[in-house]
Amino acid sequence: EPEVTQTPSHQVTQMGQEVILRCVPISNHLYFYWYRQILGQKVEFLVSFYNNEISEKSEIFDDQFSVERPDGSNFTLKIRSTKLEDSAMYFCASSVSRGGNQPQHFGDGTRLSIL
Amino acid sequence: AQSVAQPEDQVNVAEGNPLTVKCTYSVSGNPYLFWYVQYPNRGLQFLLKYITGDNLVKGSYGFEAEFNKSQTSFHLKKPSALVSDSALYFCAVRDVTTDSWGKLQFGAGTQVVVTP
Repeated sequence: EPEVTQTPSHQVTQMGQEVILRCVPISNHLYFYWYRQILGQKVEFLVSFYNNEISEKSEIFDDQFSVERPDGSNFTLKIRSTKLEDSAMYFCASSVSRGGNQPQHFGDGTRLSIL
Repeated sequence: AQSVAQPEDQVNVAEGNPLTVKCTYSVSGNPYLFWYVQYPNRGLQFLLKYITGDNLVKGSYGFEAEFNKSQTSFHLKKPSALVSDSALYFCAVRDVTTDSWGKLQFGAGTQVVVTP
C-alpha cells in the first residue's frame, strides 16, 4: 500500500537554526498537510497546501514557518529560526482530494528536538 | 468552531472482551468524523470514517464506530479486543460546511491497553 514518507525520522537542531523537514506524499495525492504533536499534547493542524499555494494555516503557522513543493514529489516544511517550543513531532499528510470522504494519510513523523 | 473530546485518557480491557473508545464532537455544520490509531514511533493510521448514510461504519482490523447525531458522539468499538490493539486512538472531525476543508481537529487521544 502506498505510504507517505518523511525524512529525517529525528532532527536535532540548535535554537535559532533553520530546519527543513521533508515529506514525500502518496504519488496521486494532490492535497498536502502538516501537523505537529508536542509531547503529551494533541495533534495540531499547521497548514494545508494545494496547487502550489497555502489553502489554510493555523495561528501556530507564523512567519517563521513556510512550506514548499520544490518538485513533483517532495513537500517541505521550513522553520526559519527555531525556538525551544518548536520541539515536537511533525507529521506530513496527504489526501487524493479535498472532499470530506477522503481520509488524510499520515507519515511516521519527524521528531524535532531543539537544544 | 469545531472540537473533539475524548473523555478517557486510558481504557483498560482484557483480551477477548469488547472494547469501546468514546468520542464526542462539536461542529457548527455537518461533521465528517474519523478514527486514527497510532502505534509507538509511528504515524497516525486511518481506521474508519463517517461521512453520511448508515450510522454504523465498519473499518480496518475489525473496528466499527457508531455515529449518534443527537448525542454528537462517534464511539469506536471492537467486539473482541486483541493484545495487538494496544495503541493510542484519536478521534478527529472536519466541518465540511465551512471553508476549512482540510483541517482535521483531533481529540486528545485515548490510550488503549489490552491485557492477555
